[in-house]
Amino acid sequence: SQTIHQWPATLVQPVGSPLSLECTVEGTSNPNLYWYRQAAGRGLQLLFYSVGIGQISSEVPQNLSASRPQDRQFILSSKKLLLSDSGFYLCARSDRLHEKLFFGSGTQLSVL
Amino acid sequence: RKEVEQDPGPFNVPEGATVAFNCTYSNSASQSFFWYRQDCRKEPKLLMSVYSSGNEDGRFTAQLNRASQYISLLIRDSKLSDSATYLCVVTGGFYGGATNKLIFGTGTLLAVQP
Repeated sequence: SQTIHQWPATLVQPVGSPLSLECTVEGTSNPNLYWYRQAAGRGLQLLFYSVGIGQISSEVPQNLSASRPQDRQFILSSKKLLLSDSGFYLCARSDRLHEKLFFGSGTQLSVL
Repeated sequence: RKEVEQDPGPFNVPEGATVAFNCTYSNSASQSFFWYRQDCRKEPKLLMSVYSSGNEDGRFTAQLNRASQYISLLIRDSKLSDSATYLCVVTGGFYGGATNKLIFGTGTLLAVQP
């Protein structure tokens, strides 16, 4: 079966600190991978997606970045967090690009 | 106009009731439609895809109305465990050979009461 591992589940970080969230996928090869953010009371916002190793597409200008160093690994980073970066971050995969998504368990990030 | 719109609810219904949610979308070229379920502080989980001919999965029925640009979700015989937020998801359409991304609605909250 295909599994998405995402950690940590909860993270509290001070403003200006760095961020690294990791997502790994099992049971599939060459998946399309995504990072979404869900702010309180708002819909899911696509941040980045990747169709392969080293290939990153950015949807929204911001102080976040993403990398895909391995086929089944997708990393979300920031050098300096802002208060507005708080939210629920979700990694997802799909077989076809921008089609049926399957999500990891998410990371609730609070920037204080 | 928002790309995908849903009534935020909450819909408070008694156990055993039938409840229906609608979701409207603005892009007439959208090709794929889904309903997701999201429990509080959890990830969204795919409930069902929505096909042009309509589809049913147990107590859940999804329908697509392309002329009026909306999709619907019907839940029969509601259970307490159906309490969740239901997200409508639509593809942005197909432009110039590039499939657009999925657009998520903000969700409809369903609370099934004992």
